[in-house]
Amino acid sequence: GQNIDQPTEMTATEGAIVQINCTYQTSGFNGLFWYQQHAGEAPTFLSYNVLDGLEEKGRFSSFLSRSKGYSYLLLKELQMKDSASYLCAVRDRDYKLSFGAGTTVTVRA
Amino acid sequence: DAGITQSPRHKVTETGTPVTLRCHQTENHRYMYWYRQDPGHGLRLIHYSYGVKDTDKGEVSDGYSVSRSKTEDFLLTLESATSSQTSVYFCAISELEGRGTDTQYFGPGTRLTVL
Repeated sequence: GQNIDQPTEMTATEGAIVQINCTYQTSGFNGLFWYQQHAGEAPTFLSYNVLDGLEEKGRFSSFLSRSKGYSYLLLKELQMKDSASYLCAVRDRDYKLSFGAGTTVTVRA
Repeated sequence: DAGITQSPRHKVTETGTPVTLRCHQTENHRYMYWYRQDPGHGLRLIHYSYGVKDTDKGEVSDGYSVSRSKTEDFLLTLESATSSQTSVYFCAISELEGRGTDTQYFGPGTRLTVL
């Protein structure tokens, strides 16, 4: 199975940058996903990493180090609408996803 | 948005009663999943299906059963609801076409309260 850890809460100012870390232990790694979830809504897909390195997609970037079992999601130029929960999920060789408990990001003006 | 609907969206029931939640997709995706989401636990997989009549257990399957008689419908049944099954339930779908970014798309969720 997977053991996935991420911080519970983070607070940042509008326009700033926030980095959300995720560490994992897995018996069979087959990709790491980041999802965004606003309160009362379903998770929506943000990014995917399967090889080491940085993937950039607009204001959001995600990094992966497989040897360290580590990923981060970088949110740049924070906007109020980025206030949400961010979920790290690891896919195993059976294509099942295991999720971390989520990081609640609060953006303040 | 992926075509996934869940019904009902909200339900309040009493301990000991059976409850069935329905997930319906219009994407013709092969894989369907049921998760529950609770504060402090994140999303946890209950059951999943990899084809019609093909299902398997997830990490928190006790007290739940599923059925998939058609590609588009995946039913989750609580045989005898307990208060510990009060949660938000999400259905998800995916189609593994060999592309690395194949991900899961989630339905809007069902909020279930067991009194």
